[in-house]
Amino acid sequence: KNEVEQSPQNLTAQEGEFITINCSYSVGISALHWLQQHPGGGIVSLFMLSSGKKKHGRLIATINIQEKHSSLHITASHPRDSAVYICAVWYTGNQFYFGTGTSLTVIP
Amino acid sequence: GAGVSQTPSNKVTEKGKYVELRCDPISGHTALYWYRQSLGQGPEFLIYFQGTGAADDSGLPNDRFFAVRPEGSVSTLKIQRTERGDSAVYLCASSLGARTEAFFGQGTRLTVV
Repeated sequence: KNEVEQSPQNLTAQEGEFITINCSYSVGISALHWLQQHPGGGIVSLFMLSSGKKKHGRLIATINIQEKHSSLHITASHPRDSAVYICAVWYTGNQFYFGTGTSLTVIP
Repeated sequence: GAGVSQTPSNKVTEKGKYVELRCDPISGHTALYWYRQSLGQGPEFLIYFQGTGAADDSGLPNDRFFAVRPEGSVSTLKIQRTERGDSAVYLCASSLGARTEAFFGQGTRLTVV
């Protein structure tokens, strides 16, 4: 079964804290997306990765193919980081499978 | 355009009416996806186009839903005899090819009253 699990489901952090969001999937994948969705807004692609680690500014994404696990880290979190973060994976078919999302709130 | 454009951004329609939702992908992207997201849920796959053809329409919930991409660029999602349960945000994404990085539009919020 093509499942994608995220944790935590909800996360509240103080401004400046280091944040980690986790994503686990059930079978081998070809690639994984981390996406950001603001309330009422569309979805923005943060990263696509199939191995190793990627970094954009304060965001870092890692993936461990053997353990079928990826993490999204946010360093020095800021209230503007408040959003829903979604992990989506490519299996071998033609569609993404989405996790249920992690709702992040960063308090000033 | 620079990104994926979806129109309209909001659509309110009466139950039983017909609606069309448009997606204008990034130029040159051959792959196009439609997803539907209900409140508090993750996106649900509807259909995938590779070029002009629907390569996978297994996510369309029933025969009231249909999508076209006649020239391999703009796509239109068509919903007949709308029902209140069709209310959702309809998301479109495009990518250069299958299983490459996808870029999403802002979505069309459909409300059926």
